[in-house]
Amino acid sequence: DAGVTQSPTHLIKTRGQQVTLRCSPKSGHDTVSWYQQALGQGPQFIFQYYEEEERQRGNFPDRFSGHQFPNYSSELNVNALLLGDSALYLCASSVQVIPGTVSNQPQHFGDGTRLSIL
Amino acid sequence: AQTVTQSQPEMSVQEAETVTLSCTYDTSESDYYLFWYKQPPSRQMILVIRQEAYKQQNATENRFSVNFQKAAKSFSLKISDSQLGDAAMYFCAYRSPNRDDKIIFGKGTRLHILP
Repeated sequence: DAGVTQSPTHLIKTRGQQVTLRCSPKSGHDTVSWYQQALGQGPQFIFQYYEEEERQRGNFPDRFSGHQFPNYSSELNVNALLLGDSALYLCASSVQVIPGTVSNQPQHFGDGTRLSIL
Repeated sequence: AQTVTQSQPEMSVQEAETVTLSCTYDTSESDYYLFWYKQPPSRQMILVIRQEAYKQQNATENRFSVNFQKAAKSFSLKISDSQLGDAAMYFCAYRSPNRDDKIIFGKGTRLHILP
């Protein structure tokens, strides 16, 4: 049973460029959350997708956007990259046992995408 | 807003000894979930143990146990019989039971295991 998979593993971009990161949730999971983890810090919540809609959003600018597909996989897009966007981007999946409520089942994390901005 | 504080940036413990990592949090909610995650150099965030706030009994998973003090908003992790493979970053995390399903992480504690 495949867990959460993220691609690519590493990515190098320059300032001003745009990037797309991808995530496939664990089998049976329908909810995807994205986190940004700067070096030496804990992960910070970016947003969450359920039923192909953004359900919750953290304190991130509109340059950060996402999408969820009918197969529950998700993309994170970042436009106009800044040096400060360099970080590990983690995807986590979970299941909403009762739609619209938080399950007590834990979120499962992928290995992350390391994004470096030059 | 909820916050999670880990006051120990780094800790070291001798192999086979016991170590306790501290965590405090702030919330106005009465029901919530608390977690300890382990992040080795491989980067994957691995769930170590979880605690539901409405449960008075402290959670235990093999060598890992927690001391959950709800009134004090404290949630420490005890690792017994420390092993070299326990070396990693440990993150304390809070999750609301409401529709806001985000996890709030502390800044982490780097644990070193001394052979």
